[in-house]
Amino acid sequence: DTGVSQDPRHKITKRGQNVTFRCDPISEHNRLYWYRQTLGQGPEFLTYFQNEAQLEKSRLLSDRFSAERPKGSFSTLEIQRTEQGDSAMYLCASSRVTSGANVLTFGAGSRLTVL
Amino acid sequence: TQLLEQSPQFLSIQEGENLTVYCNSSSVFSSLQWYRQEPGEGPVLLVTVVTGGEVKKLKRLTFQFGDARKDSSLHITAAQPGDTGLYLCAGTGTYKYIFGTGTRLKVLA
Repeated sequence: DTGVSQDPRHKITKRGQNVTFRCDPISEHNRLYWYRQTLGQGPEFLTYFQNEAQLEKSRLLSDRFSAERPKGSFSTLEIQRTEQGDSAMYLCASSRVTSGANVLTFGAGSRLTVL
Repeated sequence: TQLLEQSPQFLSIQEGENLTVYCNSSSVFSSLQWYRQEPGEGPVLLVTVVTGGEVKKLKRLTFQFGDARKDSSLHITAAQPGDTGLYLCAGTGTYKYIFGTGTRLKVLA
């Protein structure tokens, strides 16, 4: 298993364009999370899936943001009509609930720069 | 809204010094985790603490969970340049992780 993969690692786009990020979690993990992180700050929760069901969305996730996880496997995060304030690192993490604590494994992130 | 405040926000020390990072909240968490993140990478888990008052040691790092499970500390003994990075605490309830504001540590050789 290669861990959590995110693609692309970097994306530079012009304001108003749409962007899509992909996350491939660890195969046996049923939970998948998206976080957003700005420079030097802690990650902010965006949304969470258990299998294919999106169970919670943060109020940070405006109508321009949408996330999917078809068939409970990979996930995509789309941002429509990007704004400069969307510039950030978008982190994906997955986990599998065991008898112990729910441990997150993060991908390396997708860095978005909106010009 | 659950918040986790970390202090200090920035720390620059000489190799060999000791340091402590604090993570405080007004909320109770069922568990708390500490991560380290290097530039351009995702956070990497260091430790999970579950029981109030629990102390865990990982080589030169000592982690403590407060008795009331609202706060935690990370103590590094004899810091080395390889310890440089962004240290994050994260509290969890049933499924969602709330991350702290982060402590950026720089250890100078």
